[in-house]
Amino acid sequence: NAGVTQTPKFQVLKTGQSMTLQCAQDMNHNSMYWYRQDPGMGLRLIYYSASEGTTDKGEVPNGYNVSRLNKREFSLRLESAAPSQTSVYFCAGGGDEQFFGPGTRLTVL
Amino acid sequence: GQSLEQPSEVTAVEGAIVQINCTYQTSGFYGLSWYQQHDGGAPTFLSYNALDGLEETGRFSSFLSRSDSYGYLLLQELQMKDSASYFCAVRDQNTGFQKLVFGTGTRLLVSP
Repeated sequence: NAGVTQTPKFQVLKTGQSMTLQCAQDMNHNSMYWYRQDPGMGLRLIYYSASEGTTDKGEVPNGYNVSRLNKREFSLRLESAAPSQTSVYFCAGGGDEQFFGPGTRLTVL
Repeated sequence: GQSLEQPSEVTAVEGAIVQINCTYQTSGFYGLSWYQQHDGGAPTFLSYNALDGLEETGRFSSFLSRSDSYGYLLLQELQMKDSASYFCAVRDQNTGFQKLVFGTGTRLLVSP
């Protein structure tokens, strides 16, 4: 079992470019999450999905959109990247115990 | 809303015992979790407390006092590999969903 996987691992964008971060899980979790982590900070919830077909905003949703394509996949889209979105992005699945993907390190120039 | 407080850094030597405290304020408390994160890595789950008391898992234990809005993570027989950041997190039940709100983390430095 791969657990939670994310692609890409690293990405550099220019201001205004768009991209989609992919996340997939093979752990049969109903709930999936997208977090961002900035240096010296904890994780802040961007969006979450309680089940297939449902999504809701977290603490810092501005500038992002998500899609829960099916039970396995939950993608995060940046429509027009800004330098303030430079961060490490983690996808997770689970409930009381959350399982995290390896992260995507995004730099916006 | 929710807020969590934990020390920013703790230092200890190999073989010692260290306690990382976490105090929280939340209107929808359901449980307290602890996660470990090594530099450059992803957070990994350590423990979850929904009820008062001590939960033990090997060298790690976690404690919760709901009446004091307080918990701690206890690490025994410290090893160099325990050098990492440790995050407490609370479940937010306000929306009826299992959202986690994380503290800003405690960096543990273990020296020989």
